[in-house]
Amino acid sequence: NAGVTQTPKFQVLKTGQSMTLQCAQDMNHEYMSWYRQDPGMGLRLIHYSVGAGITDQGEVPNGYNVSRSTTEDFPLRLLSAAPSQTSVYFCASSYSGFRPGGYTFGSGTRLTVV
Amino acid sequence: AQKITQTQPGMFVQEKEAVTLDCTYDTSDQSYGLFWYKQPSSGEMIFLIYQGSYDEQNATEGRYSLNFQKARKSANLVISASQLGDSAMYFCAMREGPGTNAGKSTFGDGTTLTVKP
Repeated sequence: NAGVTQTPKFQVLKTGQSMTLQCAQDMNHEYMSWYRQDPGMGLRLIHYSVGAGITDQGEVPNGYNVSRSTTEDFPLRLLSAAPSQTSVYFCASSYSGFRPGGYTFGSGTRLTVV
Repeated sequence: AQKITQTQPGMFVQEKEAVTLDCTYDTSDQSYGLFWYKQPSSGEMIFLIYQGSYDEQNATEGRYSLNFQKARKSANLVISASQLGDSAMYFCAMREGPGTNAGKSTFGDGTTLTVKP
């Protein structure tokens, strides 16, 4: 089925460890983004991309890196995990411009840093 | 900088009645898009409805409609004939562009809707 695939769904890390959250979409969407959602709160933008080779920082980029070498993939790397990064992470993609459709979201990754 | 404000942390509605969820936005761009998403307790994010800043008519998608008042910078979501399955958190979001902010969406803090039987 077409959509956004995020892996893993759950992850527990120790403080200081690094890891990569994977995100892939098969809809040929130009835009891709990573958000984090803390309990009871809205989504905050970490990094986003408007096309392969183009990325930019969002509202809360510190401690995270991204790259976009292909249209399909947009991995998020945690450099040195901290308890403050405990959150649910969503990857999302969409067409560029304002076609009448919003983001398609992945199912989320629930990350706990101990 | 773009900003979305949802002033209702929680709302209750009786089954089969209509409910309006408020959203105001702030932007200096003339071209932007407004979106509403639903997040059930299972956690997934579901796109509901879109309104472009140049659209003259309010968007509708089934039981969802967007009451767009451009001069007041408001984009309220109206759900008609509420169902128990509508109980969820609802997020308003905006994306500016084209330009330097293209591709970047800002979300409000959400409104938790509870539908009573």
